[in-house]
Amino acid sequence: GEDVEQSLFLSVREGDSSVINCTYTDSSSTYLYWYKQEPGAGLQLLTYIFSNMDMKQDQRLTVLLNKKDKHLSLRIADTQTGDSAIYFCAERGSSASKIIFGSGTRLSIRP
Amino acid sequence: DADVTQTPRNRITKTGKRIMLECSQTKGHDRMYWYRQDPGLGLRLIYYSFDVKDINKGEISDGYSVSRQAQAKFSLSLESAIPNQTALYFCATSGGTGENGYTFGSGTRLTVV
Repeated sequence: GEDVEQSLFLSVREGDSSVINCTYTDSSSTYLYWYKQEPGAGLQLLTYIFSNMDMKQDQRLTVLLNKKDKHLSLRIADTQTGDSAIYFCAERGSSASKIIFGSGTRLSIRP
Repeated sequence: DADVTQTPRNRITKTGKRIMLECSQTKGHDRMYWYRQDPGLGLRLIYYSFDVKDINKGEISDGYSVSRQAQAKFSLSLESAIPNQTALYFCATSGGTGENGYTFGSGTRLTVV
C-alpha cells in the first residue's frame, strides 16, 4: 500500500540550512506536500510540488523532487528559532481520495 | 474565527464512556476527514466523507463512528472509550483541488483514563 517515510528528528544550528528528507512508495502521486506543525497547533500547509516538477522555491524554502527515486526533500535556508516544529511530508495519489502523511520530523534549533 | 473549528480542545474521559468530538468548517468544502496523531506514528486516517451522504472508513476505523450532519459539520464518536484511544485528534477539510491540500483544525487532545 501507499507509504511515506521520514526520519523522526533533526537538529541544526541557528543560521545553518536544514534539510528534511522523505521517501514515498506511490508511483502515481500527483501532489507532494510539506506541512508544519507548531506546538499545540494543527498542521499548516507550507508548500507543495506537482509531480511533473523537479524543484520549487519559495523564499527560504526549496523543495526538491526526485520522481525516479520517489524522494522528496525540504531545505530551509538560514534556519531560525521560529522554524522549530514538526514537519510532515505527504502525498496525494492519482485517485485523489486522500492524502497520506509521513510520521513527521521534529526539527530543533541549537544556538 | 478559524476556518476549521474543533470542540472540545481538551477532554479527559473514563474507560467505557461514550464521547463525541465535533468539527465545523466555514470553508465551504465538501470533503472532511478525521485523523489521529500519535508520537512517532504521524497522522492516521480514521474516517472521511465527500458529502453529506458519503462516509468512508480509513485505515483505523475500528472503535470509532462518524456522522456528517451537514456540509459544514462532521463529528467523531468513540462508543466505548479505551486507554489506547488516547491521542490528538484532527479534523481536516478539502475542496478537492490538489494544490490547496487540506485545512486542519487545531486538534482535540483526548485522554482516556
